[in-house]
Amino acid sequence: DAGVIQSPRHEVTEMGQEVTLRCKPISGHDYLFWYRQTMMRGLELLIYFNNNVPIDDSGMPEDRFSAKMPNASFSTLKIQPSEPRDSAVYFCASSFTDRGLADTQYFGPGTRLTVL
Amino acid sequence: DAKTTQPPSMDCAEGRAANLPCNHSTISGNEYVYWYRQIHSQGPQYIIHGLKNNETNEMASLIITEDRKSSTLILPHATLRDTAVYYCIDSTVGDDKIIFGKGTRLHILP
Repeated sequence: DAGVIQSPRHEVTEMGQEVTLRCKPISGHDYLFWYRQTMMRGLELLIYFNNNVPIDDSGMPEDRFSAKMPNASFSTLKIQPSEPRDSAVYFCASSFTDRGLADTQYFGPGTRLTVL
Repeated sequence: DAKTTQPPSMDCAEGRAANLPCNHSTISGNEYVYWYRQIHSQGPQYIIHGLKNNETNEMASLIITEDRKSSTLILPHATLRDTAVYYCIDSTVGDDKIIFGKGTRLHILP
């Protein structure tokens, strides 16, 4: 398997623009997670899905952020409008949860977002 | 917030065993201890997990104290490629998500 795939790997945009980050989870995994990492706040969970349904979006910072998972092999994280404080590395992870455990999560390489 | 406590940084000589401690004094009976690491510019990587017995895999060993209030991750022969931030996490059965703390930044010295 190719692992979790994220695109783009780097994104530079100007304040006010819409940004869309994409993720393809590992085939067969039923959980998908979006994280954000900054030096100040570390690795934060933004939202996660189970079987394409959003389960917990309490980590989404504000209404400018939205996430969708239209099918089992694709998810997007959208920021509209983007602000400089959104600059961070955004990671997508997927897992196959068995026995009710928060099982091993496999992370993608991340998207480094810079908002000017 | 993360429920574990780890030292912010540690040094280890190349070729020696790296022992990374973690305190999880509030851990409950159905919570597992997970370890992940994050090499610079990469996503976190799963290492190992355990409930109460010691565990070993091809990457590391996990030693959990009898009272389960602390654990130690052991990298038996550290190499420069083991330089990373190591995260210790406790996770409850039935929880879908894990919460990352600040971790321990491990420096392997040549």
